[in-house]
Order: sequence, then structure tokens, then C-alpha cells
Amino acid sequence: NAGVMQNPRHLVRRRGQEARLRCSPMKGHSHVYWYRQLPEEGLKFMVYLQKENIIDESGMPKERFSAEFPKEGPSILRIQQVVRGDSAAYFCASSKGTEDEKLFFGSGTQLSVL
Amino acid sequence: GDSVTQMEGPVTLSEEAFLTINCTYTATGYPSLFWYVQYPGEGLQLLLKATKADDKGSNKGFEATYRKETTSFHLEKGSVQVSDSAVYFCALSADAGGTSYGKLTFGQGTILTVHP
Repeated sequence: NAGVMQNPRHLVRRRGQEARLRCSPMKGHSHVYWYRQLPEEGLKFMVYLQKENIIDESGMPKERFSAEFPKEGPSILRIQQVVRGDSAAYFCASSKGTEDEKLFFGSGTQLSVL
Repeated sequence: GDSVTQMEGPVTLSEEAFLTINCTYTATGYPSLFWYVQYPGEGLQLLLKATKADDKGSNKGFEATYRKETTSFHLEKGSVQVSDSAVYFCALSADAGGTSYGKLTFGQGTILTVHP
């Protein structure tokens, strides 16, 4: 049973380009969470999605960032017109969604903006 | 808002030494508390958890007790191994009836290095 898969592992973008980060949850998981880890900081919650629905986006920056989790395919975190301050590790986690269910994390995507 | 504060790192120990990593929290209501571990190049893994006051979470020789009176959840291990070298994160989940159980507030992480 494969774990949470994120790709790419490393992504380099120039300022102004778009970054698309993908997350395939564990089999049977319909709840996805995105976190951002800035250098020497803890992970910060960004957004919580279920299939085709955004449940909680209270941690998402108001501009340039968007997330989706379509009926088919992986969850996508999209950052438009990237800036140097977007450089960070982006982690995805998934769960079945029940109250006592464990959260499983992917290995993350390291985004570097030149 | 909710917050988690961990002791400053990095922490460097010799094998078989005693480990304590302090964690205190601020939250409304009755949060669940967690310790996660991140090995180099990997995602976070749940190490242990406690969901109510005085609960003790334990796993792989690590322990932490939910202390509501001191709002703390300190991680301890009696005898560390080289393989325990990793980054350790304390986290909480607000009691939201399970609808946002995966929405965690993390501390900044503590780097642990264990030498032979």
C-alpha cells in the first residue's frame, strides 16, 4: 500500500513563473491537507480539502495560491507568479477523515525560487 | 490563536543518554497533542499522541504525558540510539468534533543528533 506520494521532490522556478505541486493521497483516503515549512520554522497549515471541495483554506495566502482535489487524480497546489518568499518545503498529508484516524505525510516538495 | 512552543535546538547527545524535549502549548478548549518525527529526506511520521489530560502516549521507548495544569507535553526517552537522530515536532489539534482533525498547529521543531 503506497504512502502519500508527492511530486516533484524538488522544483526550481524563476520569479514570476507558476509552480504546480501534486499530491496523491494514500489509497482509501479522501481528505487532504497541505502544509508549508519555511526555513527553520515548523509546518504551517494551509488548506484542507475533500474530494471536489475546499473545507478550510484559512491558512492560504489571499493571492496567487490555490488548491484543488478533483474527483479523479491528485490534489494540486498551484502558486502563480512565484516570488522568492515562496521558497519552502510543501508537505501534503492525507487521512480517512474519521476522528481517530492517523494523518500520513508525504516526503514533501522543496520549492526554490530563483 | 493556538500555539506550540518547543525548546530551542539543536540537541546533541551520546548514545544511551536520557532525552527530554520540552513542549508547551496555548489553546482554547481541550486539544489533542502529538509528537511527530521527521527523518532526513522523509515526511513526518506520528510518534505518539495523547487526547486528554493525564494521558500518556508512548512508542518505541519514547513517552510524553499530557499535563493540562502546566499546558505541557514533554517528550522523553531513557536511552537514545544513533537511529533516533531526526527532527522532532510537537503539535496540537483543536477539539473540533473531528471535522478538522488533520489541521495541526506545529512547534518549530527540535533537531536531535545522537553520537555513538
